[in-house]
Amino acid sequence: DARVTQTPRHKVTEMGQEVTMRCQPILGHNTVFWYRQTMMQGLELLAYFRNRAPLDDSGMPKDRFSAEMPDATLATLKIQPSEPRDSAVYFCASGQGEASNQPQHFGDGTRLSIL
Amino acid sequence: AQTVTQSQPEMSVQEAETVTLSCTYDTSENNYYLFWYKQPPSRQMILVIRQEAYKQQNATENRFSVNFQKAAKSFSLKISDSQLGDTAMYFCAFMKHENSGAGSYQLTFGKGTKLSVIP
Repeated sequence: DARVTQTPRHKVTEMGQEVTMRCQPILGHNTVFWYRQTMMQGLELLAYFRNRAPLDDSGMPKDRFSAEMPDATLATLKIQPSEPRDSAVYFCASGQGEASNQPQHFGDGTRLSIL
Repeated sequence: AQTVTQSQPEMSVQEAETVTLSCTYDTSENNYYLFWYKQPPSRQMILVIRQEAYKQQNATENRFSVNFQKAAKSFSLKISDSQLGDTAMYFCAFMKHENSGAGSYQLTFGKGTKLSVIP
């Protein structure tokens, strides 16, 4: 089965450090989403791309977060500088954007802990 | 903006019994999709079932079925013959139709219901 691949699976780092999370969407999928999951807020959309172009990043703190798609097989989410409140599980999902009835397929997430 | 509400933070059910998880949503859209996702302790997000709002027939997927009440904006999930592997967080999610302009394709999630299946 095709899967969304996220790396790393876990990341522990100190406050102030740069964090980069990577996502390989399913081949052929042209929409990519970044979600953040916390106990308090649940699952929140941070940003999403269609055909590598950012369509909406209104859910993302602009001062420290950035999301890019250097090519169709790689999406990145960076936090610089990181803060303890960024600790969460970050999910990447991909889908076939021309048919919104098609479900988004999720990766296994990156558990981020900022000390 | 859409909101999704799951009013049951936790539920439990005996193995082989039936359980229903509640979900209500608020939207001004007429065309949209609804989903139930399952998140076991392994952290994966797994699609359980989906429903198109324009279809009156309730979706079913093996032991999983939904009760979709469009007028009431309700979308409950029924799990029949519960199995130990059904133990997980269950999230209800809403997605606007692709012709709805801004915000299409985005999933709006409820806070989740933690389901425990008891042997």
